[in-house]
Amino acid sequence: DVKVTQSSRYLVKRTGEKVFLECVQDMDHENMFWYRQDPGLGLRLIYFSYDVKMKEKGDIPEGYSVSREKKERFSLILESASTNQTSMYLCASTKTGDGYTFGSGTRLTVV
Amino acid sequence: DQQVKQNSPSLSVQEGRISILNCDYTNSMFDYFLWYKKYPAEGPTFLISISSIKDKNEDGRFTVFLNKSAKHLSLHIVPSQPGDSAVYFCAASAPLPHSGGGADGLTFGKGTHLIIQP
Repeated sequence: DVKVTQSSRYLVKRTGEKVFLECVQDMDHENMFWYRQDPGLGLRLIYFSYDVKMKEKGDIPEGYSVSREKKERFSLILESASTNQTSMYLCASTKTGDGYTFGSGTRLTVV
Repeated sequence: DQQVKQNSPSLSVQEGRISILNCDYTNSMFDYFLWYKKYPAEGPTFLISISSIKDKNEDGRFTVFLNKSAKHLSLHIVPSQPGDSAVYFCAASAPLPHSGGGADGLTFGKGTHLIIQP
C-alpha cells in the first residue's frame, strides 16, 4: 500500500513564525500536492509538484511556498504564519493516471 | 467560481435506508470523477470513481451515477450503516496546467456531512 506520511498531526505556532510542514511518500509517485481543508470550503489546492524541483501554484498559494528537492518529499512552508492560516493541511501524492493517496493531515493552529 | 458543487452541507439518513449524495460540475474538461470519504482528524480516503465514458459504477454498497448531459453525479449508499457517517467529497479530474498533460489535478467540492441515525 502507498503510504503518505505527514510529519506532525498537530502543530501550534505563533504569528510571524516560519513553519515547515513535511510530507513523504514511499511509492515513487511523480505528483505531490498540498491542500488545506476548512469547514464549509472543502479542500483547496495550495501548490503541487509534478517532478523534482518543479512546483506550480494552485488556487490559494498566497502566503505559502514549497520545496521538492527529492522525489519522495514535498515540503510546505509558511514564511510568516498568520492566524488565517490556521487549518487542516493535507498532503497527497499520485502516479500519473491513478487516484490520489492522502496523508493523515496536520492540524495547524496559529496563535 | 466553483467548478464542483455539493449543495447539501449535511444530510441525515436513518440506518438501513439509502443515502444519496449529489454533486454538480461546470467544467466540460473533467474526464474522471471520484468520491472521497473523510473522518475527523484523518486524511480523505478514496471511495469510488467513474470515468466520463461510463454512466454507472458499483462497488458493494456504493454506486456512483454520472449524467454527463446534466453535468451531475451522485453517490448512492445502500444500506446505510453507522460507520458511513463522515464527510464525503466529490472530486473531478482534469490535466493540471503546466504539467504537459503528465499530471491530473483534482477539484473538490465543499463536502457533504453524512449522518447515519440509528
